[in-house]
Amino acid sequence: GESVGLHLPTLSVQEGDNSIINCAYSNSASDYFIWYKQESGKGPQFIIDIRSNMDKRQGQRVTVLLNKTVKHLSLQIAATQPGDSAVYFCAATRGAGGTSYGKLTFGQGTILTVHP
Amino acid sequence: SAVISQKPSRDICQRGTSLTIQCQVDSQVTMMFWYRQQPGQSLTLIATANQGSEATYESGFVIDKFPISRPNLTFSTLTVSNMSPEDSSIYLCSVGQGGTQPQHFGDGTRLSIL
Repeated sequence: GESVGLHLPTLSVQEGDNSIINCAYSNSASDYFIWYKQESGKGPQFIIDIRSNMDKRQGQRVTVLLNKTVKHLSLQIAATQPGDSAVYFCAATRGAGGTSYGKLTFGQGTILTVHP
Repeated sequence: SAVISQKPSRDICQRGTSLTIQCQVDSQVTMMFWYRQQPGQSLTLIATANQGSEATYESGFVIDKFPISRPNLTFSTLTVSNMSPEDSSIYLCSVGQGGTQPQHFGDGTRLSIL
């Protein structure tokens, strides 16, 4: 089955720094990956996604990198702000069908704390 | 993205009782899922709520404990039956159109069992 894990459970940065959150996945059949941000008392909020036919995707202040060779993805947040403080989860799934179609497997989560 | 409403947002229940959680979406969606998030932990998929048929449960979760309904494309319920303190968790509903489209989550139901 799929397992998705994170290398660092906590990350503390200064405001304005760039943040990098890492994630490893085990199922080479995973072909769609999502990063979520979860603030206290809220459900996970979609940040950015990437399909397995891409290595990099950029959003507003965020970039996701995918390395299928080593089954690793990362989330980079530029110019981190105090409002970015939250728990960040990666999730993996198969978007192309099969019994795991649509089912997300989540990583442990990284607590990002941004100090003013 | 779809607006997802979960009710109740939180509850405190006595052991041995059951609670039904509702998930309402403001548009028709192909797929609906139920997840559990234990305190300080990640999310674990409980089941896929299938419209018009029985839910598909993940390993470790059974229908007798977590009966699920999905009468239409915008609504689902999850019941937590015969609750014990170990069921104290956040229960989250998510929706998606499948494929390489992101799932979106409600804000969850925070459940405490005494």
